[in-house]
Amino acid sequence: DAGVIQSPRHEVTEMGQEVTLRCKPISGHNSLFWYRQTMMRGLELLIYFNNNVPIDDSGMPEDRFSAKMPNASFSTLKIQPSEPRDSAVYFCASSLGRTDTQYFGPGTRLTVL
Amino acid sequence: AQSVTQLDSQVPVFEEAPVELRCNYSSSVSVYLFWYVQYPNQGLQLLLKYLSGSTLVKGINGFEAEFNKSQTSFHLRKPSVHISDTAEYFCAVSGPGGSYIPTFGRGTSLIVHP
Repeated sequence: DAGVIQSPRHEVTEMGQEVTLRCKPISGHNSLFWYRQTMMRGLELLIYFNNNVPIDDSGMPEDRFSAKMPNASFSTLKIQPSEPRDSAVYFCASSLGRTDTQYFGPGTRLTVL
Repeated sequence: AQSVTQLDSQVPVFEEAPVELRCNYSSSVSVYLFWYVQYPNQGLQLLLKYLSGSTLVKGINGFEAEFNKSQTSFHLRKPSVHISDTAEYFCAVSGPGGSYIPTFGRGTSLIVHP
């Protein structure tokens, strides 16, 4: 299996622009997680999907952030408009169930200028 | 609610020395416990996990951890570290207090010196 795939690996954008991060989970996994990692806050859970349905989005910072999972093999995290404080590494992870081992993607390093 | 405390943000150690990375969790009920490792510029990957049974859990790369329910701890150990073990290590807990969604600690940076 190719593992969890994220794109792009790096994104540099200017403040105010829309950013879309993409994730393809491991086939057969029904749980998907989006995380944000920064030096200041560590690893933060943004949103958790189960069977393509958002279950817990309490970690989504504000209305500028939105996430979708239109099918079992694809998810997006969108930031509109982006701000410099959104600069971070964003990880997608998938698992068979919420208590099972999470498999992380390589991450997307986002820089907002 | 559940939480995880990793007591050391950074642990320097010399190559071939033993190491212990500490993790304490707060939960009054049964939990699942995990240790993940993150190498530079990579995602996290599982080292080991405790679900039930034996309190001593062995993982990859020679690491092991011991679940201590009375002390609510899950410390990670390795008897002899290598330069290649230099990485960030995360402890995580999953249980009913958090709807079984894993909560991660802040991480411990293990730095192995030659």
